[in-house]
Amino acid sequence: DVKVTQSSRYLVKRTGEKVFLECVQDMDHENMFWYRQDPGLGLRLIYFSYDVKMKEKGDIPEGYSVSREKKERFSLILESASTNQTSMYLCASSFISTSSSYEQYFGPGTRLTVT
Amino acid sequence: RKEVEQDPGPFNVPEGATVAFNCTYSNSASQSFFWYRQDCRKEPKLLMSVYSSGNEDGRFTAQLNRASQYISLLIRDSKLSDSATYLCVVNIAFNKFYFGSGTKLNVKP
Repeated sequence: DVKVTQSSRYLVKRTGEKVFLECVQDMDHENMFWYRQDPGLGLRLIYFSYDVKMKEKGDIPEGYSVSREKKERFSLILESASTNQTSMYLCASSFISTSSSYEQYFGPGTRLTVT
Repeated sequence: RKEVEQDPGPFNVPEGATVAFNCTYSNSASQSFFWYRQDCRKEPKLLMSVYSSGNEDGRFTAQLNRASQYISLLIRDSKLSDSATYLCVVNIAFNKFYFGSGTKLNVKP
């Protein structure tokens, strides 16, 4: 079974704080993703990583950065948290399945509230 | 225009009913297609991949129509435990997954 874990299920931070969200996958997947999910807006890609130290901006990277120092770990950093970053944050990893399609698996999510 | 469009619902159906969801996608270069299930305040979980020939997994049947660029999910004999939001997902490249906003299903006793 694919296992993707996230460091916290719930987090409350103050405006201006630096926030670290950690994600770990145990299946040696090359690709890892950070999304945020908001009501009415669906899942939006923040950043993507396809290898150690390699990253690409997604659709909404502003206010975020990422780090991938080891293959299994992908961290999302909010440099200076703001109230509009209150959201559900989902980490995912993907691999090529036996049917040659990329399947994506999600961690349990971190519900971040910025006050 | 959104990459993936779904009817948000909710679909309210009695137990035992058959219900179908559709989803349309805009990029003809899309390669892989999936249905995910998401329970309230939980992460999306892969329900099934969708193949051109159609595929079935128990009470669930998925169909893909590339010419019309739509995907469907049919649930037969609905159970209370099927109540969830169903996300249509389209994969264009190794780093591009597009998600529909989800269709909410409520199965009533």
